[in-house]
Amino acid sequence: AQSVTQLDSHVSVSEGTPVLLRCNYSSSYSPSLFWYVQHPNKGLQLLLKYTSAATLVKGINGFEAEFKKSETSFHLTKPSAHMSDAAEYFCVVTQRETGFQKLVFGTGTRLLVSP
Amino acid sequence: DAGVTQSPTHLIKTRGQQVTLRCSPKSGHDTVSWYQQALGQGPQFIFQYYEEEERQRGNFPDRFSGHQFPNYSSELNVNALLLGDSALYLCASSLLGEQYFGPGTRLTVT
Repeated sequence: AQSVTQLDSHVSVSEGTPVLLRCNYSSSYSPSLFWYVQHPNKGLQLLLKYTSAATLVKGINGFEAEFKKSETSFHLTKPSAHMSDAAEYFCVVTQRETGFQKLVFGTGTRLLVSP
Repeated sequence: DAGVTQSPTHLIKTRGQQVTLRCSPKSGHDTVSWYQQALGQGPQFIFQYYEEEERQRGNFPDRFSGHQFPNYSSELNVNALLLGDSALYLCASSLLGEQYFGPGTRLTVT
């Protein structure tokens, strides 16, 4: 079975400060991991993905994540938050046994950015 | 490129009724997946269609069924609606890889 746990339901930061959204995963086999962002009334957008290549993954809008197998973690970071980053973020896992097609989502972390 | 489109945007139904939601995939994509996102939760996988057949299914009852047409568009049907079926229904399309999501259909069951 595969699952992800997002450790914070809400994270509040000030504009210009670093962002850290935490995610731990559980997978029987080598997983592929993703971070998606969901803005209000918009579809889910892929931020970045890990698929067994480099463990430090760079995504869009300055986000990056590091795959740490020993810690079963895949935390999302950004050096400096922008007001437009305020949204819901989902950590997602999938694996080869489902053809990498069945995405399993975490419960989400709401990022709040204050001026 | 229009991306993934879904219709309708919003829908209100009564318990016991049936509903059909529609999805048009991104141009060139042949696989469509459906997800249910309850309020305050992450999306949950319902099923996936490829070559007009259901390829994978999540933990949803048989009241949830689907169809894929030769042009790769897809429908999600839900019978005997329950209050708990109220959610945002997301469609995602793909071609051997990354899934692209549509904006969703908000279903309210009263």
